[in-house]
Amino acid sequence: DGGITQSPKYLFRKEGQNVTLSCEQNLNHDAMYWYRQDPGQGLRLIYYSQIVNDFQKGDIAEGYSVSREKKESFPLTVTSAQKNPTAFYLCATTGQGLMNTEAFFGQGTRLTVV
Amino acid sequence: AQSVTQPDIHITVSEGASLELRCNYSYGATPYLFWYVQSPGQGLQLLLKYFSGDTLVQGIKGFEAEFKRSQSSFNLRKPSVHWSDAAEYFCAVVAYSGNTPLVFGKGTRLSVIA
Repeated sequence: DGGITQSPKYLFRKEGQNVTLSCEQNLNHDAMYWYRQDPGQGLRLIYYSQIVNDFQKGDIAEGYSVSREKKESFPLTVTSAQKNPTAFYLCATTGQGLMNTEAFFGQGTRLTVV
Repeated sequence: AQSVTQPDIHITVSEGASLELRCNYSYGATPYLFWYVQSPGQGLQLLLKYFSGDTLVQGIKGFEAEFKRSQSSFNLRKPSVHWSDAAEYFCAVVAYSGNTPLVFGKGTRLSVIA
């Protein structure tokens, strides 16, 4: 079954801890993205990667880190430097070429700091 | 830089009534435009997209959108709303060159009343 899998669906973190959100895809898409969603703020871009072993900062990269060691995987680490990490996190992918510009989304991970 | 404005934060319509959600974009060249829908706690699902050609595009679930270059708008419409259409709707734009991140509006929450 093709798609994007984000895990876990819910995640709780104590203040001062780093946590890693998983995003795996079997769509064979080159580009992967992480967005953060807060009520009334829409989706804001954290990081994106257009190819393995390369990634770029988005609009709100501070306090986050990523890696792209495999085409299928693009994990996001929320570090203790992120001041307000409680949010809904969405992973997305896009395919190659101008006709594959639409983004496909995972089901999201809700992170709560306790 | 690209940007998207959705002027209406929240809209309430009666079941069976028509719907129009507004979207204005800012982009210097030919944009690719999208509408997505999100149910609570879920990822985003593509409703429709505009790349070129006919300015009136049809999507899933009976939605359509019209691209108006002169007004920099891409408004979403549905002739008769069903209670299951209650959700959050996002307009997005991406550069014509492709393989770059989508830029999203802040969303419009749709409530449907009997």
